[in-house]
Amino acid sequence: GQQVMQIPQYQHVQEGEDFTTYCNSSTTLSNIQWYKQRPGGHPVFLIQLVKSGEVKKQKRLTFQFGEAKKNSSLHITATQTTDVGTYFCAPMEYGNKLVFGAGTILRVKS
Amino acid sequence: DAGITQSPRHKVTETGTPVTLRCHQTENHRYMYWYRQDPGHGLRLIHYSYGVKDTDKGEVSDGYSVSRSKTEDFLLTLESATSSQTSVYFCAISGGGNSPLHFGNGTRLTVT
Repeated sequence: GQQVMQIPQYQHVQEGEDFTTYCNSSTTLSNIQWYKQRPGGHPVFLIQLVKSGEVKKQKRLTFQFGEAKKNSSLHITATQTTDVGTYFCAPMEYGNKLVFGAGTILRVKS
Repeated sequence: DAGITQSPRHKVTETGTPVTLRCHQTENHRYMYWYRQDPGHGLRLIHYSYGVKDTDKGEVSDGYSVSRSKTEDFLLTLESATSSQTSVYFCAISGGGNSPLHFGNGTRLTVT
């Protein structure tokens, strides 16, 4: 199945700084979803990217899908303490299976 | 949150005992999934179902079995629990066709 590498594993930022997590695949992806999991919680769907070069924004969050559909990124502008959690990328495989990256843990110092 | 309930929420069991975790949904979604979450490994797919009595293996299916006799229920069974199966187990549902997954609140299982 498809394997994705997600980097960094962990990032600790000062409140107000920007944050980016990257998701890289060796194969072309049909689509990719992003999820956020707050500490002690369950993963919650953020967004889906389907088209080559697609860029979507949700307030301070910007999601990108690479031109070759082999990588994706999530950028948070001016982090807040409410952004704390683990961010997962997840490409969809044949048969409607979602395979998750290992996630990036974000901690924000206030 | 979507209508998805996992039970029990916490369980402690001994090595070698059978354990069944239950996932119940009220959304009438076709797809149901079982994932386990361990530090450093993210979420790994154990088994999934694409309809009543239709199931398939995920990436870490050894030591686990599943059953889906009704649309709303998806059971995960550990026939003989081992300490390596200590984990947090999440059930998820989806309507299919690239629809997002909606997760339950998880079951924390400890095998001593």
